Amino acid sequence: AQSVAQPEDQVNVAEGNPLTVKCTYSVSGNPYLFWYVQYPNRGLQFLLKYITGDNLVKGSYGFEAEFNKSQTSFHLKKPSALVSDSALYFCAVREVSAAGNKLTFGGGTRVLVKP
Amino acid sequence: SQTIHQWPATLVQPVGSPLSLECTVEGTSNPNLYWYRQAAGRGLQLLFYSVGIGQISSEVPQNLSASRPQDRQFILSSKKLLLSDSGFYLCAWRPAGGPLEQYFGPGTRLTVT
Repeated sequence: AQSVAQPEDQVNVAEGNPLTVKCTYSVSGNPYLFWYVQYPNRGLQFLLKYITGDNLVKGSYGFEAEFNKSQTSFHLKKPSALVSDSALYFCAVREVSAAGNKLTFGGGTRVLVKP
Repeated sequence: SQTIHQWPATLVQPVGSPLSLECTVEGTSNPNLYWYRQAAGRGLQLLFYSVGIGQISSEVPQNLSASRPQDRQFILSSKKLLLSDSGFYLCAWRPAGGPLEQYFGPGTRLTVT
């Protein structure tokens, strides 16, 4: 089975500083990886995905993610964090079953950006 | 453009009562549909998914069931709620044969008392 791990429950960063949220994956075959963000009491919003191609993927709201095959990682990054980036972030991997495609999510990382 | 709706937004139900949560998607045909539960504001647990009318795959055997009576309608049900059914229920969709990312609805907060 495919899986992703988010090793940090929470990340604290000062506004204006770089933000990194870590994700490692375990897959058989080519990994299809995703990042989502969730604000309090809201649904998840899609940020970006890696399917193939460039290892640096750019997404919404100034976020980007770096795919590293040798380290089996897909870390989310933002060069300069905003207070409004405070939210819960999820990494996910695609799984294929007989019944179709589904996503397996990591446990989530809470980001707190302090002014 | 496509829109996903969930209702109700919040629900408080006593233990042993039935449950029906509804999810509908507008602006697309034959979507893949998913139900997730999120407990304690953290991880997501995939409950059910559907690739077509009447086709339901169950991920976790439990007190819940799902149905897809129409192409763009996905219903989550229970005959008798348990305290452990409390949580934030999220519906998601993706276009069949299209991009793999899923798009989520606003969620339903269920509290079982």
